[in-house]
Amino acid sequence: QQQVKQSPQSLIVQKGGISIINCAYENTAFDYFPWYQQFPGKGPALLIAIRPDVSEKKEGRFTISFNKSAKQFSLHIMDSQPGDSATYFCAASSGGYQKVTFGIGTKLQVIP
Amino acid sequence: NAGVTQTPKFQVLKTGQSMTLQCAQDMNHNSMYWYRQDPGMGLRLIYYSASEGTTDKGEVPNGYNVSRLNKREFSLRLESAAPSQTSVYFCASKDRGLRANTGELFFGEGSRLTVL
Repeated sequence: QQQVKQSPQSLIVQKGGISIINCAYENTAFDYFPWYQQFPGKGPALLIAIRPDVSEKKEGRFTISFNKSAKQFSLHIMDSQPGDSATYFCAASSGGYQKVTFGIGTKLQVIP
Repeated sequence: NAGVTQTPKFQVLKTGQSMTLQCAQDMNHNSMYWYRQDPGMGLRLIYYSASEGTTDKGEVPNGYNVSRLNKREFSLRLESAAPSQTSVYFCASKDRGLRANTGELFFGEGSRLTVL
């Protein structure tokens, strides 16, 4: 049973466009929602994270939108660049954040 | 500044063979984790260690054992490898100090294992 559902699995966006990745969760005990970015041959690295007491968090071109009532959150990448091409994972954790549960990942390709 | 170091980076095993994946972190983190990454499955937690001396099962522990050797090192052992264990394995660590409430995991670069 997948606790964090992520879509789409793959995404192709033109340079300068907006990339949108969506995630949904079931467990209402989750209280921390990070996004990780992974380049080929590397381990994932934290990109941006949000807690459910805010509806949006922005860092540069990356924005997380959070809808607590719908139990959904999404990552928006504005002005997408070829260097953003990577796999993105949404995740969720709770209670001291000891266990982090990941979505299946979205492979983003930004074409020139 | 090494961070999380995993060895080996690549390994090919035959069914039934055993091996140990090694992981070490130099960030003085309390918590350490082993994940496996498979296409279409994302990252799945195998085992974790919240602190030195403790280990707990994650989502997919069957076929694996772990040892938290000391605060720095957390190893993953496959006693009798099976083709279903072909995967990329990631070790990660996390602080429990001031940065603990960020929940940020620091990952190694992965160990690619093929079981024939």
